[in-house]
Amino acid sequence: QSALTQPRSVSGAPGQSVTISCTGTSSDVGNYNYVSWYQQHPAKAPKLMIYDVSQRPSGVTDRFSGSKSGNTASLTISGLQAEDEADYYCCSYAGTYRDVFGSGTKVTVL
Amino acid sequence: EVQLAESGEGLVQPGGSLRLSCAASGFTFSNYAMHWVRQAPGKGLEHVSAISSNGITTYYVDSVKGRFTISRDNSKNTLSLQMGSLRAEDMAVYYCARGSGYGGNYFDYWGQGALVTVSS
Repeated sequence: QSALTQPRSVSGAPGQSVTISCTGTSSDVGNYNYVSWYQQHPAKAPKLMIYDVSQRPSGVTDRFSGSKSGNTASLTISGLQAEDEADYYCCSYAGTYRDVFGSGTKVTVL
Repeated sequence: EVQLAESGEGLVQPGGSLRLSCAASGFTFSNYAMHWVRQAPGKGLEHVSAISSNGITTYYVDSVKGRFTISRDNSKNTLSLQMGSLRAEDMAVYYCARGSGYGGNYFDYWGQGALVTVSS
């Protein structure tokens, strides 16, 4: 039950794009198209940003997009804005009611 | 409006017990799997436990198996987590979350969190 691997931090200037990778195994990311992404601001509850690899919940800006190839999923934030500065976590379904989170990535807007 | 509200947070000695509850409103509680996710101070998110919509199927992360019990009361729209034999490494903010999609695999609504402090 190891956490999925994410880069510790990524950064970009306002308006630029950043991509966060999320590497799992053939038992989780590689086996299911059920990867979700969460944004967490300090001292706040996480917020769902992407589900089922690339689907956006109602109300989430289309500047956030998700994809997957093999055992690695990715979250791309386009047109980076100051309010995007937060921690981001990927999460993959891994079996009956079991989910595994990524290690988390801090996004810094320069 | 979907709302999840945890209660029962507190300070407990190592080896002690604590019960967290999560009151749900704004949706048909009995239609959804529910989860507990925790976050230790300064650390990442960890999926701790889950329960199916009818309460029959449960999941526990290895580190809490045999010590924690998840349950739900669909008549009262309440999710619970009974925690026993608490250890320092169980200290965290515990979030209840609604599971949606296949197998309740993603968490579309979260509570505000309940802080569990384990210390002598």
